[in-house]
Amino acid sequence: EPEVTQTPSHQVTQMGQEVILRCVPISNHLYFYWYRQILGQKVEFLVSFYNNEISEKSEIFDDQFSVERPDGSNFTLKIRSTKLEDSAMYFCASSQRQTGGQPQHFGDGTRLSIL
Amino acid sequence: AQSVTQPDIHITVSEGASLELRCNYSYGATPYLFWYVQSPGQGLQLLLKYFSGDTLVQGIKGFEAEFKRSQSSFNLRKPSVHWSDAAEYFCAVGGNTDKLIFGTGTRLQVFP
Repeated sequence: EPEVTQTPSHQVTQMGQEVILRCVPISNHLYFYWYRQILGQKVEFLVSFYNNEISEKSEIFDDQFSVERPDGSNFTLKIRSTKLEDSAMYFCASSQRQTGGQPQHFGDGTRLSIL
Repeated sequence: AQSVTQPDIHITVSEGASLELRCNYSYGATPYLFWYVQSPGQGLQLLLKYFSGDTLVQGIKGFEAEFKRSQSSFNLRKPSVHWSDAAEYFCAVGGNTDKLIFGTGTRLQVFP
């Protein structure tokens, strides 16, 4: 069964540094998402991306965050100047259509640790 | 406001016992409901989904869930739990927007 893959599985970064989290969505999916889960808390929506632009974003997704689909297969989340509170598990997801039509399929996540 | 409540933070059951995990939602439009499972160190795996139609939906690994509009609930059930079911379970709601709204999760522990 096709799956969403994320790299790296664990990223350790100094505060203030830039970090890029990478995702390869399922190949025939058109909608892409990033979520995060701070340790011990619920999974929170960050952003959705369709047709090479952001379609929806949460309050968490401020100017330090950006997303990009640099080629036909990768989907990236960039955090420009990391803060301690950015430490979390970041999940990428993809779906064929918007949530109302198809479920989102999640990757195994990247654990981001900010020192 | 849109929200999902999972009242049970932690549930412990014996292997072979039945299981019910509770989920209540608040959503202004027609909800689409999901249950995901997360094993330690793993991502979120879709167990089952409800979009419309039959209110009792079957999922993978022997799980089922029942949508009750009058109670705003979507409880997950399994008649006989296996040790491998130990994991964290998340209920989520979506609609005609992009985002899923998750509950805080229920950690299931299974004793032999």
